[in-house]
Amino acid sequence: TQLLEQSPQFLSIQEGENLTVYCNSSSVFSSLQWYRQEPGEGPVLLVTVVTGGEVKKLKRLTFQFGDARKDSSLHITAAQPGDTGLYLCADGQNFVFGPGTRLSVLP
Amino acid sequence: GAVVSQHPSRVICKSGTSVKIECRSLDFQATTMFWYRQFPKQSLMLMATSNEGSKATYEQGVEKDKFLINHASLTLSTLTVTSAHPEDSSFYICSASAGFSPLHFGNGTRLTVT
Repeated sequence: TQLLEQSPQFLSIQEGENLTVYCNSSSVFSSLQWYRQEPGEGPVLLVTVVTGGEVKKLKRLTFQFGDARKDSSLHITAAQPGDTGLYLCADGQNFVFGPGTRLSVLP
Repeated sequence: GAVVSQHPSRVICKSGTSVKIECRSLDFQATTMFWYRQFPKQSLMLMATSNEGSKATYEQGVEKDKFLINHASLTLSTLTVTSAHPEDSSFYICSASAGFSPLHFGNGTRLTVT
């Protein structure tokens, strides 16, 4: 059974700071997806990465997929209060989710 | 973008009653739908996977007789929580996929059993 880990579990930062959150798997991802979820709503897909070593950018968000396809990182530059939420990684084949990183960006 | 509608968004029911939650893909055909449960401040826990026209596949520890899933068409799946108890109170979220496309999530249903 694939196990996904995410770190840190919680992160509270000031507006304007940079941050990186991580996702690791006990096995190789066929593909990996990052989602953001706000309270009381369903998760919203941010990105899908497929190729080892792949880097994707979405405005202030940079996603990296490890060469071995067992880990990924999400870097946010100049965080804003609107970035607050639960960030989840998920295996794109079996749709198992990691435990998430709860980010709070304070104004 | 793809839209998944989940209804109701909130429901309060008495212990012992059954509750049905609907999940509809509005602008695409969902070959697979997923049902998740989420406790406060926790991640999504996959309950079951359903494919149109076939029986749902339940994750270990999820009672199939208590959480009845019907995927009667390519645009509709329902989750019925039978004989609900307070411990079934949770946030239930559905998602839909068209083959290998990314998941599209509904906005969830907050179930409170009194």
